[in-house]
This record gives sequence, C-alpha cells and structure tokens, in this order.
Amino acid sequence: EAAVTQSPRNKVAVTGGKVTLSCNQTNNHNNMYWYRQDTGHGLRLIHYSYGAGSTEKGDIPDGYKASRPSQENFSLILELATPSQTSVYFCASGRTGGDNERLFFGHGTKLSVL
Amino acid sequence: GDSVTQTEGLVTLTEGLPVMLNCTYQSTYSPFLFWYVQHLNEAPKLLLKSFTDNKRPEHQGFHATLHKSSSSFHLQKSSAQLSDSALYYCALRRGGSNAKLTFGKGTKLSVKS
Repeated sequence: EAAVTQSPRNKVAVTGGKVTLSCNQTNNHNNMYWYRQDTGHGLRLIHYSYGAGSTEKGDIPDGYKASRPSQENFSLILELATPSQTSVYFCASGRTGGDNERLFFGHGTKLSVL
Repeated sequence: GDSVTQTEGLVTLTEGLPVMLNCTYQSTYSPFLFWYVQHLNEAPKLLLKSFTDNKRPEHQGFHATLHKSSSSFHLQKSSAQLSDSALYYCALRRGGSNAKLTFGKGTKLSVKS
C-alpha cells in the first residue's frame, strides 16, 4: 500500500502568520496534489504537480503557494494565513493512466487559523 | 471548466435496501470517472474507476456504469450494509496525461438497522 505522510497532523496559526504544510510520499509517484475539505464543499483542489519542479494551479489557488523540490516532497504554503483558510488539508499522490489508476491520500492536516 | 454534481447532502437508508448515489458531470473531453469513499476519521480511498472499454467496474458489491449520453456515473449497490455508512465522492479526470482530478461535493450515506 502506497504511503503518503503529512505533517503536522494538527496546526493552530495566527491570522497573518506563515504556515507550511508538508507532504512526503515514498512510492515514486509523479503526481501530487493538495486538497482542502470543508462541509458543503467537498474536496477542492488547491495545487497539483507533475513532478519535481512543477506546480500547477488547481481550482482554488488564491492565498496558497506550492513547492515541489523533489519527487517525494510537496509543500503547501500559506504566506498570510486567514481564518477562512481554517480547514482540513489532504495531500495525495498517484500515477495517471491504466486500470490501476488511483490517488493515495495522507491522513490530513487540521488547520485552525485564529 | 470541468465539474461534477452529486446527490446533495445526506442519504439515509435502512440496511438491506438498494443504494443509488447520483453523479453527473460536465466536460468538453471524454473523461475518466471515479468514486472515492471516506469513512469517519479516515482518508479518502478509491472505490471504483470507469474503464475505457466500457466494462462495468465493481468493488465490494458496488458498481457504476459510465453513460456518456447522459454524462452520468451513478453508484449502485443492491443491498446496503451498516458498514457502507461513509462519505462518497465522485471525481473526474479529463483523460490523456492531464493529472487534474476534480471532485464533487460528496454525499454522506447513513445506513441504519
């Protein structure tokens, strides 16, 4: 089973502060993703990546940056955190194509911005 | 852009009754469709994926058929179990090498005895 590890699991931040969420996968997947999950909105794509050095905007990128320094690591950065960014954030990795195509998700990071 | 629409909110069923969760989509491409399931306090995981050769995918008693004419990929099961209680997401990927995966808002299924 593919492993995706997120850190931290819980984070409390202050408004205007900088927050970095980290994600590591050890399965050599090319694609990595950051989603946020909110009641009534489901899973919404923030940023995704095709490999080291690549970042692509998802559907709700405003207020977020992403960094993919290596195949294994994909970070989500909130430069100036706001209370509206309070959410549960999921990282995922996977390959594209084939009958076994699927995303593997981390266990999520619960972020509270006060 | 691409979008996915699901049965909204909460679906409550009695154990043993059939399950049908609706999913329709909009895309200018011939997309791949997926169902993901998320149990309480767990991460989402893949339940089903549409096939390119129109085979009907099945897993854990669930099945779904991609109907391109109606842009639908409804999730079905003949008999609900208590353990099926979870949050279900329908998702779409355009196809080819495009990696972007768009999810619907999710449908919470609650199965009661």
